[in-house]
Amino acid sequence: QKEVEQNSGPLSVPEGAIASLNCTYSDRGSQSFFWYRQYSGKSPELIMSIYSNGDKEDGRFTAQLNKASQYVSLLIRDSQPSDSATYLCAVNPGLTGGGNKLTFGTGTQLKVEL
Amino acid sequence: GAVVSQHPSRVICKSGTSVKIECRSLDFQATTMFWYRQFPKQSLMLMATSNEGSKATYEQGVEKDKFLINHASLTLSTLTVTSAHPEDSSFYICSARPLLDEQYFGPGTRLTVT
Repeated sequence: QKEVEQNSGPLSVPEGAIASLNCTYSDRGSQSFFWYRQYSGKSPELIMSIYSNGDKEDGRFTAQLNKASQYVSLLIRDSQPSDSATYLCAVNPGLTGGGNKLTFGTGTQLKVEL
Repeated sequence: GAVVSQHPSRVICKSGTSVKIECRSLDFQATTMFWYRQFPKQSLMLMATSNEGSKATYEQGVEKDKFLINHASLTLSTLTVTSAHPEDSSFYICSARPLLDEQYFGPGTRLTVT
């Protein structure tokens, strides 16, 4: 069974700090990786996608992918209270693993404290 | 990002009745849409993959006769919950892919069956 694992948290960080969210996946053939943010009672919002090893930066967000170690992470710099949400890691296993479906982790709850 | 809408956002129905939920891609065409369900404090569960012009593909354990999916055009997919019961009360969310494999989610429909 293809799995995506995340620490459920909550992860508490002070305002202005760097929040680091981690995700591991079991299918070595996975091709693409996504981070979604979900506020309580709302649907998920795509914030980052990453397809190749290394870092990808977008504003305060940086996604990091290491296929050899099968992990993907999300860094949020200068964390704000508005960043408080559940962050979902999603993996596309590629054609050999079910085509275009995404496998989601259970999410990490982030709390940014004043 | 791409915009996906859902209607209604919230619906309350009586046990035994049917409810139809619409999912529309507003600024792109989507040959594939996805339907998810999310119970409180739990992660997303993929119910089915909706394919334009063909039958939907249901995940294991999802009753295809109870959750009817129709993808009649490149911008519209509908989910009908037939003979709804209180245990069907949940947050139903659709998603669509404008390109590659990035999925964008609709705002969700909160269904309450009394």
